Amino acid sequence: NAGVTQTPKFQVLKTGQSMTLQCAQDMNHEYMSWYRQDPGMGLRLIHYSVGAGITDQGEVPNGYNVSRSTTEDFPLRLLSAAPSQTSVYFCASSYSAFYGYTFGSGTRLTVV
Amino acid sequence: AQTVTQSQPEMSVQEAETVTLSCTYDTSESDYYLFWYKQPPSRQMILVIRQEAYKQQNATENRFSVNFQKAAKSFSLKISDSQLGDAAMYFCAYRRGGATNKLIFGTGTLLAVQP
Repeated sequence: NAGVTQTPKFQVLKTGQSMTLQCAQDMNHEYMSWYRQDPGMGLRLIHYSVGAGITDQGEVPNGYNVSRSTTEDFPLRLLSAAPSQTSVYFCASSYSAFYGYTFGSGTRLTVV
Repeated sequence: AQTVTQSQPEMSVQEAETVTLSCTYDTSESDYYLFWYKQPPSRQMILVIRQEAYKQQNATENRFSVNFQKAAKSFSLKISDSQLGDAAMYFCAYRRGGATNKLIFGTGTLLAVQP
C-alpha cells in the first residue's frame, strides 16, 4: 500500500498563479484533511472532508478550495497564489478518531 | 474552541537519559483522543503514541510513555533511554471523538539529543 501520496514535493509559483496540490490515499479512509505548517505555528487545518461529496472549512481556509469527488482523492486548489501562502502543505487521512491520521510527505510551496 | 499548548519550544537531552515534553489542552468535551507526533528532518509526520480520554491507564509504546492527567488537562510525553534518532520536532495533538475530523496541533517542541 502506498498510504497517502502527495504531489508535487516542491513547487515555486509566481504571485497570482493558480495550481492544484494532489492528494490520494489507498486505505479507504473516509476522513481527509489539508494542513499547512509554518515555523512557530504548528500545523493549521485548511479544509477537511468526512467523506466523498462532503467538505468543510478549517482554521485557515481563505485562498484555498477543495473538492472530494471520490474517497481516494482530495485535491487542494490555490486560486491566486500570494506570498503569504508560502508554506509546507500536508495532506492526511484517517479511518476514525481513534487511529489518528496518516500523513503524506508534504509539499514545500514557495510563492514569489 | 479547543486549543493545544506546548510551552517548551526547544529541549535538549543527553543520549540514554530521560526527557519529558509538556502539553496542555483545553476542551469541554468528555470524549476525545490525544496524540504525539514526531517530525524528523525528513519532514514526515510519524504517530508516536495515542491516548483515549476515557482510559485512565497511561499509554506506553516501547521507550515512549505518556502522563495523562485528565482533570488538569495535561498530556506529557516521556522518552526513556533517548537515542540520537529521537531528535525531531514533537507535536501534541487533540481530536474530538465521534464523527469529527479536526486534529488540532500544538506549536511543537524541538528536541535535540546530545551524544
